Amino acid sequence: DTGVSQNPRHKITKRGQNVTFRCDPISEHNRLYWYRQTLGQGPEFLTYFQNEAQLEKSRLLSDRFSAERPKGSFSTLEIQRTEQGDSAMYLCASSLDRGRSGANVLTFGAGSRLTVL
Amino acid sequence: GNSVTQMEGPVTLSEEAFLTINCTYTATGYPSLFWYVQYPGEGLQLLLKATKADDKGSNKGFEATYRKETTSFHLEKGSVQVSDSAVYFCALSATSGGSYIPTFGRGTSLIVHP
Repeated sequence: DTGVSQNPRHKITKRGQNVTFRCDPISEHNRLYWYRQTLGQGPEFLTYFQNEAQLEKSRLLSDRFSAERPKGSFSTLEIQRTEQGDSAMYLCASSLDRGRSGANVLTFGAGSRLTVL
Repeated sequence: GNSVTQMEGPVTLSEEAFLTINCTYTATGYPSLFWYVQYPGEGLQLLLKATKADDKGSNKGFEATYRKETTSFHLEKGSVQVSDSAVYFCALSATSGGSYIPTFGRGTSLIVHP
């Protein structure tokens, strides 16, 4: 297994355009998380999936953001009508939920950096 | 809600110096606590963890003890190396409305000089 893979690594777009990021988790992991990280800050939770079900979304996730995980495998995060404030690193992480969710260790991808001009 | 507070960086040390990075938390219930490290150009990776009070997590010479009475999980290393230069994130995983959502601190940058 090559770990968590994210694409593209860097996306530059103009304000108002739509962008989509893809995350391929570790194959046996049933949980998948999306976080956003800005300069000098820690990762901020956006949403997570247990298999294909989206179980929780942060209040940070406006209506312009949507995430999917069809068939419980890879996931996509789409941002519609991008704004300059959306510029950030978008991190994907996965974990294996063995029933002790609090002790789950996340494996992160290297992130997808979004720059909105 | 759940939150993590870390000391601000950057922390700048000479090689072989002693390292402490402070971390305190606020959480409902009994959280699990973690330290993640991010090396330049790489994703965050787990450094160590502790899942109950008085547990000590350790890895690569780093240690942290889960102190429930002071709600702290300070990271320590007795002798740092240049290769330890990275950003360190303290994190907790605690129930929030029934789900365990990992919550991260803002990170502390460590710079080690030869």
